[in-house]
Amino acid sequence: DTGVSQDPRHKITKRGQNVTFRCDPISEHNRLYWYRQTLGQGPEFLTYFQNEAQLEKSRLLSDRFSAERPKGSFSTLEIQRTEQGDSAMYLCASSFRSTGMNTEAFFGQGTRLTVV
Amino acid sequence: DAKTTQPPSMDCAEGRAANLPCNHSTISGNEYVYWYRQIHSQGPQYIIHGLKNNETNEMASLIITEDRKSSTLILPHATLRDTAVYYCIVFSGGYNKLIFGAGTRLAVHP
Repeated sequence: DTGVSQDPRHKITKRGQNVTFRCDPISEHNRLYWYRQTLGQGPEFLTYFQNEAQLEKSRLLSDRFSAERPKGSFSTLEIQRTEQGDSAMYLCASSFRSTGMNTEAFFGQGTRLTVV
Repeated sequence: DAKTTQPPSMDCAEGRAANLPCNHSTISGNEYVYWYRQIHSQGPQYIIHGLKNNETNEMASLIITEDRKSSTLILPHATLRDTAVYYCIVFSGGYNKLIFGAGTRLAVHP
């Protein structure tokens, strides 16, 4: 396993179109996080899963955004009716959490979305 | 909101030690100090973390003050490849998540 994998690395889409990103976490990790990062800013938390359960969603995650993690493995982040303000880097991270143990989070290389 | 304060930018000469400060005056007893860095156009990379003792690994050293209100990340011999944005984060684990601030942009120059 070579780490957290995100696909695609780059996506250009027209305003109003729907886009979907995929994240494959490190195989034994039960936690999966999504972040968004705009130019010059630190990553902003969007949502996270423990196994297949979505435990928290940020207020940044509008109704146009939806994330899933079926079967607790890979995750998808969908943005419907994209807007130019959605242009950003979308980062995925994974970690392992159990009673008495919590590994650091490992990040993927991100998907850069450009809405034109 | 991030619970840490870092200088927006720093410079360091190649081969010298880079000392990156972080203030976290409201840190709670169960919160760790984590450091990540982000090289341009890549995802953040974990560097080191600590609770109250100083820590060292192959990448860096972390010095936490006795009152835990501040810490310093030390890159002992900075190289050009250490040019990145460095984020200091307080994190308790559990059902919490990493909250990033703006970080410190470190420029290592020849």
